[in-house]
Amino acid sequence: DTGVSQDPRHKITKRGQNVTFRCDPISEHNRLYWYRQTLGQGPEFLTYFQNEAQLEKSRLLSDRFSAERPKGSFSTLEIQRTEQGDSAMYLCASSTHGEKLFFGSGTQLSVL
Amino acid sequence: QQQVKQSPQSLIVQKGGISIINCAYENTAFDYFPWYQQFPGKGPALLIAIRPDVSEKKEGRFTISFNKSAKQFSLHIMDSQPGDSATYFCAARLPSNDYKLSFGAGTTVTVRA
Repeated sequence: DTGVSQDPRHKITKRGQNVTFRCDPISEHNRLYWYRQTLGQGPEFLTYFQNEAQLEKSRLLSDRFSAERPKGSFSTLEIQRTEQGDSAMYLCASSTHGEKLFFGSGTQLSVL
Repeated sequence: QQQVKQSPQSLIVQKGGISIINCAYENTAFDYFPWYQQFPGKGPALLIAIRPDVSEKKEGRFTISFNKSAKQFSLHIMDSQPGDSATYFCAARLPSNDYKLSFGAGTTVTVRA
């Protein structure tokens, strides 16, 4: 499978715990994006990497959120001290330019 | 605030019928308008896209109609099939922020056999 891979697919955690998600983009894609999607809504932009550089962060990404893309390959998104409002689908996408984003199947986070 | 407003929230169409989804935007600087299709448990996938210098684009059974003066664009699904049952999202992008898509809230299409 040469698509965008996300792990885990589902994560259930208790409020206050830290969680980390991983995204493996399509190998030749230098751009990587994180979006968040809640039920009944479209994806919302969170952050963008070009190679290993994080070039943009949405104001939706509070200080509890951090994303990395070491060596310009896979990326991780960490949420510290999770809150119930963090419950959502976290989508990763990659591309070679700003058009035609390839999305992964997402990580569904449930904070109890 | 939502930069792209999408309607209807859901629609049901008979097999062979036409599904029409509408989107409206305010920012005339948007230069790229894609439509994404999402099946349950999957991420969105690019279906078709248009630029504002074109009034219509067709790919197979899917057509985008673009009305620049009205700041509206729509997706038409011709000869709708049960396999088209999915959620459809319109989106828009600014040339100055070509890494960021602003999505509509989505339309769930159900095609009845």
